[in-house]
Amino acid sequence: GENVEQHPSTLSVQEGDSAVIKCTYSDSASNYFPWYKQELGKGPQLIIDIRSNVGEKKDQRIAVTLNKTAKHFSLHITETQPEDSAVYFCAAKTYNTDKLIFGTGTRLQVFP
Amino acid sequence: GAGVSQSPSNKVTEKGKDVELRCDPISGHTALYWYRQSLGQGLEFLIYFQGNSAPDKSGLPSDRFSAERTGGSVSTLTIQRTQQEDSAVYLCASSFDRVENTEAFFGQGTRLTVV
Repeated sequence: GENVEQHPSTLSVQEGDSAVIKCTYSDSASNYFPWYKQELGKGPQLIIDIRSNVGEKKDQRIAVTLNKTAKHFSLHITETQPEDSAVYFCAAKTYNTDKLIFGTGTRLQVFP
Repeated sequence: GAGVSQSPSNKVTEKGKDVELRCDPISGHTALYWYRQSLGQGLEFLIYFQGNSAPDKSGLPSDRFSAERTGGSVSTLTIQRTQQEDSAVYLCASSFDRVENTEAFFGQGTRLTVV
């Protein structure tokens, strides 16, 4: 079955700097890759997603890139702000299994 | 309701007792997922329901865990003879359509503590 690895497990950056979180997946049939943000005491919320027919997607300060050949995808946050501090999860899903498998999470801390 | 609703939000139970956790998905969503999140850990897949298809139970950790979804809407996750290692936050998510791979919306979770 699908296995998703995520790095780093923790990431500390200064306000205004960029943050990059990387994930790899094992199932080449995976075709949907969402990123979720989880704040303390809350359920995860989708922040951006990408499908396998595109290589990059941007939404303001957030971007995701996908390399299907290498089976990895990354989340890029530019001009980080303290409110970006949270746990971020990547996930992968295949059309056939329809099961959304998550990475182990990255705790991002943005220091003012 | 506007989002996925889970109840109770917190549950403390004694070891050996059975518990039921409830999930009300977003109206019209055909897919429903249960995940378990231990303290500081990732999201462990438990079970997945899609419409009238047989559920994918491949993530259930033992036969003490079971789930059902009545009428394609509300779902109940049952844990029998609870153990301390069952303590975790149990998250439910729902999404609209498998073909479109649309967003999965999560509830706030149920924090289960087994003492």
